[in-house]
Amino acid sequence: ETGVTQTPRHLVMGMTNKKSLKCEQHLGHNAMYWYKQSAKKPLELMFVYNFKEQTENNSVPSRFSPECPNSSHLFLHLHTLQPEDSALYLCASSQASGGASGANVLTFGAGSRLTVL
Amino acid sequence: GQNIDQPTEMTATEGAIVQINCTYQTSGFNGLFWYQQHAGEAPTFLSYNVLDGLEEKGRFSSFLSRSKGYSYLLLKELQMKDSASYLCAPMDSNYQLIWGAGTKLIIKP
Repeated sequence: ETGVTQTPRHLVMGMTNKKSLKCEQHLGHNAMYWYKQSAKKPLELMFVYNFKEQTENNSVPSRFSPECPNSSHLFLHLHTLQPEDSALYLCASSQASGGASGANVLTFGAGSRLTVL
Repeated sequence: GQNIDQPTEMTATEGAIVQINCTYQTSGFNGLFWYQQHAGEAPTFLSYNVLDGLEEKGRFSSFLSRSKGYSYLLLKELQMKDSASYLCAPMDSNYQLIWGAGTKLIIKP
């Protein structure tokens, strides 16, 4: 496996379900990110982890709970979601977070398409 | 506030040249990124400009003018596989990427 891998690729869940999205990177990067992508809207940064420590939480509702057990794995735990949370959730990684250099180049996973009924 | 403006959609012909413009207003500036995203796929990195001028990379070039808050992506010798969305993302003073909504480029034979 190379690059950034996300599972599952598609997820349908009810508003009372609990599910998790998983992301794994095989690039030796130190920073990992969760983004939300809705149709025709800009990418929304949700969370940033740098060396396993959360460094950014962009006012994301508590029904989204991230977990970063090590610098290669990132999870997004989902519970009591709303239909408006339906979107493509993208994981990304970079060598570093912050600093004006190519180390901030993001490598994205293919995304998890979430539908909340 | 911070704002990115790029056209929603553009159409071009195979073999031609197209320029996708991006204007931005950010709190500080630490470079600008362009990404390509094919439908249903992950965004992939195309270019990074931090100084004024043109950066050429094969068929793709990216230009930056910091004083004008302006960048463009130039695609030459267009191929059908270039049909995708192109995302402009400047980085602000906090090293946060500010994303545009993307320009959907449609290539016609």
